[in-house]
Amino acid sequence: QKEVEQNSGPLSVPEGAIASLNCTYSDRGSQSFFWYRQYSGKSPELIMSIYSNGDKEDGRFTAQLNKASQYVSLLIRDSQPSDSATYLCAGGRGGSEKLVFGKGTKLTVNP
Amino acid sequence: GAVVSQHPSWVICKSGTSVKIECRSLDFQATTMFWYRQFPKQSLMLMATSNEGSKATYEQGVEKDKFLINHASLTLSTLTVTSAHPEDSSFYICSADGPGADTQYFGPGTRLTVL
Repeated sequence: QKEVEQNSGPLSVPEGAIASLNCTYSDRGSQSFFWYRQYSGKSPELIMSIYSNGDKEDGRFTAQLNKASQYVSLLIRDSQPSDSATYLCAGGRGGSEKLVFGKGTKLTVNP
Repeated sequence: GAVVSQHPSWVICKSGTSVKIECRSLDFQATTMFWYRQFPKQSLMLMATSNEGSKATYEQGVEKDKFLINHASLTLSTLTVTSAHPEDSSFYICSADGPGADTQYFGPGTRLTVL
C-alpha cells in the first residue's frame, strides 16, 4: 500500500515566522512530489513541485526532497495570515499515474 | 495556463435523481483526468482515473455503476452520479494532468447536496 504521511498538526505559527511542514512516503518508486494548498471550502491549488534531491525555492516557499530518507518538506518563510490553510503533500511515479495524497496539515498563522 | 473548470459549481437535487458534473481543461489537452470526493474536514479520496477514449479505472470500493465517468475528448470528462442519495452529498473535485503530464491541476470543485 503506497502511503504518504504528514505531520498531523494542526500547526500554529505567529505572523512572520517560518512554518515547517513535513511529509514521508512509502513508495520508493515515487519520482514526483507536490505541495498543494487548500483553503477551507475550496479545491487544492498547486504551490510547489519537486523532482530532484535538494532544495527548490519559489518566493517565500522552499521545498526539500531527500529520496534516501523518503522525506519531503515545505518551508514557508515570513508566514502571513493568508497562508492559513491545509497543506497537502502528494507523491507519484510520474507520467499520468495517480498521485498519492497525505491527509493534510492544517496551518494557522496568527496575526 | 493549466486551467481546469468544473460545472456546475454547486447543485442541489432530490434523492433518486441523477446529476452530471463536467470537468474541462481550458487551455491544454488532458489525456488523463482524475475524480476525487471530499467530505467535510476529511482528506481527498480518489474515486477514479479517467483516460480519453477508454474506460475509467475505479478505486476499490467505488461503485462504477453509480458513478459513471465518460472521458469523451482530450478536454472534457464527465461524472454522473446516478440515483443520488443523501450520503452522496459531498465536494466532488476533478483534476487533469497538465501540459507535459506529471503535474495535476485541480478544478474548483462541485458541491453536491442531495435532499
